[in-house]
Amino acid sequence: DVKVTQSSRYLVKRTGEKVFLECVQDMDHENMFWYRQDPGLGLRLIYFSYDVKMKEKGDIPEGYSVSREKKERFSLILESASTNQTSMYLCASSSQRREFFGPGTRLTVL
Amino acid sequence: AQTVTQSQPEMSVQEAETVTLSCTYDTSENNYYLFWYKQPPSRQMILVIRQEAYKQQNATENRFSVNFQKAAKSFSLKISDSQLGDTAMYFCAFRVNFNKFYFGSGTKLNVKP
Repeated sequence: DVKVTQSSRYLVKRTGEKVFLECVQDMDHENMFWYRQDPGLGLRLIYFSYDVKMKEKGDIPEGYSVSREKKERFSLILESASTNQTSMYLCASSSQRREFFGPGTRLTVL
Repeated sequence: AQTVTQSQPEMSVQEAETVTLSCTYDTSENNYYLFWYKQPPSRQMILVIRQEAYKQQNATENRFSVNFQKAAKSFSLKISDSQLGDTAMYFCAFRVNFNKFYFGSGTKLNVKP
């Protein structure tokens, strides 16, 4: 079974802090994604990566950056966290047919 | 632009009854995949059912089936014999070119005993 794991289920940070959210998948997938989930807005794509060191902006990349140094790991970085980045963050990896999601990280920025 | 619309933010159904969740989408592509994902409370998102756009036959998975109307760009999910464990957020999504997914805003389904 595919496993997508995220480093934290819950995270509390302060405004201005640098925040790292880590995602690891164990199925050798090339595509990996970071989504943000907010009530009434569904899932919105922040960034995705289709290969090591490759990245593309999604629909809401502002305030975020990503890193993909190894195929299995895709990191989301908040350079300077702000309160409007309080949200649920979902990582996913995909084969050609479907996506597999991680359990999510609920980030609160105070 | 690719969009997915779920017009029902919240729905309720009695246990053992049937419920249909609506989804419409917009794309200019001809080849794509459609999905319904389920996210139980505080749990991981999981795939419910998947439909290839080039297939006319509607996909079914046990109690879950879809009504895919390609011309109308409609992709509804029917849940038969609803169970308490079906209580969850349901997201409709589609995918083009094996990379980006586009998700709707979700429908919260509450199955009542």
